[in-house]
Amino acid sequence: DQQVKQNSPSLSVQEGRISILNCDYTNSMFDYFLWYKKYPAEGPTFLISISSIKDKNEDGRFTVFLNKSAKHLSLHIVPSQPGDSAVYFCAASESLRGWGKLQFGAGTQVVVTP
Amino acid sequence: SQTIHQWPATLVQPVGSPLSLECTVEGTSNPNLYWYRQAAGRGLQLLFYSVGIGQISSEVPQNLSASRPQDRQFILSSKKLLLSDSGFYLCAWSVGSNYGYTFGSGTRLTVV
Repeated sequence: DQQVKQNSPSLSVQEGRISILNCDYTNSMFDYFLWYKKYPAEGPTFLISISSIKDKNEDGRFTVFLNKSAKHLSLHIVPSQPGDSAVYFCAASESLRGWGKLQFGAGTQVVVTP
Repeated sequence: SQTIHQWPATLVQPVGSPLSLECTVEGTSNPNLYWYRQAAGRGLQLLFYSVGIGQISSEVPQNLSASRPQDRQFILSSKKLLLSDSGFYLCAWSVGSNYGYTFGSGTRLTVV
């Protein structure tokens, strides 16, 4: 049962434009969300996170938005750069579990074109 | 500083052969340890997690097993590999209620 879903397997965006990646979840107990970036043949690296007490978190070119009522979060990359071409994973966790067990989405492949 | 080592980077094994992938963490104590697999064209699937020495929880029934003989060592094993075991295996760690994982560089396993 996939509790975290990324329904867009791929996204192509022009350099300098905005990339918007979407993620939906079904478990209402999730209260902490993260985005990871992964290059081929490498492990994912942490990008940005958001707690359920917030609806927005910003870090440089990356902003994550959380809509709890819709069980939806999105990652905005502005402006997109060629180095942003990678697979992006959305992940979620339940803090009541007391430790960080993450559920990941299937990932979205982003390709930034010149 | 904390680091995570995972080896080998690439492995080609025949069907029916055994498997042992090792992961070690440095610079932290009592980490939570995880094994994930990314199959071709699919997302990250949690296989096993461990909150302490000898404590292993399995997320999905499968042909694989895990062990944690030391605090900072996590081993993924199989007695007989199947073709479906092919994939990219990732070890990760976190500490306490810190939900951010640090991943290893991964092992590309191809079963032939």
